[in-house]
Amino acid sequence: DAGVIQSPRHEVTEMGQEVTLRCKPISGHNSLFWYRQTMMRGLELLIYFNNNVPIDDSGMPEDRFSAKMPNASFSTLKIQPSEPRDSAVYFCASSLADRDTEAFFGQGTRLTVV
Amino acid sequence: DQQVKQNSPSLSVQEGRISILNCDYTNSMFDYFLWYKKYPAEGPTFLISISSIKDKNEDGRFTVFLNKSAKHLSLHIVPSQPGDSAVYFCAATPRGSNYKLTFGKGTLLTVNP
Repeated sequence: DAGVIQSPRHEVTEMGQEVTLRCKPISGHNSLFWYRQTMMRGLELLIYFNNNVPIDDSGMPEDRFSAKMPNASFSTLKIQPSEPRDSAVYFCASSLADRDTEAFFGQGTRLTVV
Repeated sequence: DQQVKQNSPSLSVQEGRISILNCDYTNSMFDYFLWYKKYPAEGPTFLISISSIKDKNEDGRFTVFLNKSAKHLSLHIVPSQPGDSAVYFCAATPRGSNYKLTFGKGTLLTVNP
């Protein structure tokens, strides 16, 4: 298994532009998570999907952030418009629902907004 | 308000010796605790966990200890190896929401040959 696949690995964009981060979870996993890592706040859960349905989006910082999971093998996190303070590493993770705590993380997308 | 705290940003030990990484938490609703390990340019990987009904869990060279009264847990690595050099994150989940991991900010462990 290739693990959780995220793209792109690095993204540099200008303030005000739309950014879309992509994630392919491990096949057979029915839980998906988006996390953000910053120096100030560490690793924070943004949103949690179970069976493609958003269950908890309380960590999404603002309306500029949105996430979708149209099917079991794909999810996106979109920021529109992007701001410099969105610069961070964004991780996608997946797990089996009965083992949600033992999530498998992707390699992350390093986003820089200038 | 940090609910999971790792007060040592870094730790350096000699190969073969014991590494002890510490973690404190404030939320009494937490009932499951985990350690994740992260290498540069990679995502965190699950290492070991412990339920609040236990005070110790062992897996090979890794042992996690939980002191509920002190709201403190620790990860022991014996013997430490250079390949253990990584950032270690402590995490916790509350009762009833086992998906909701709250992470500490991590401790960078360096094991010197």
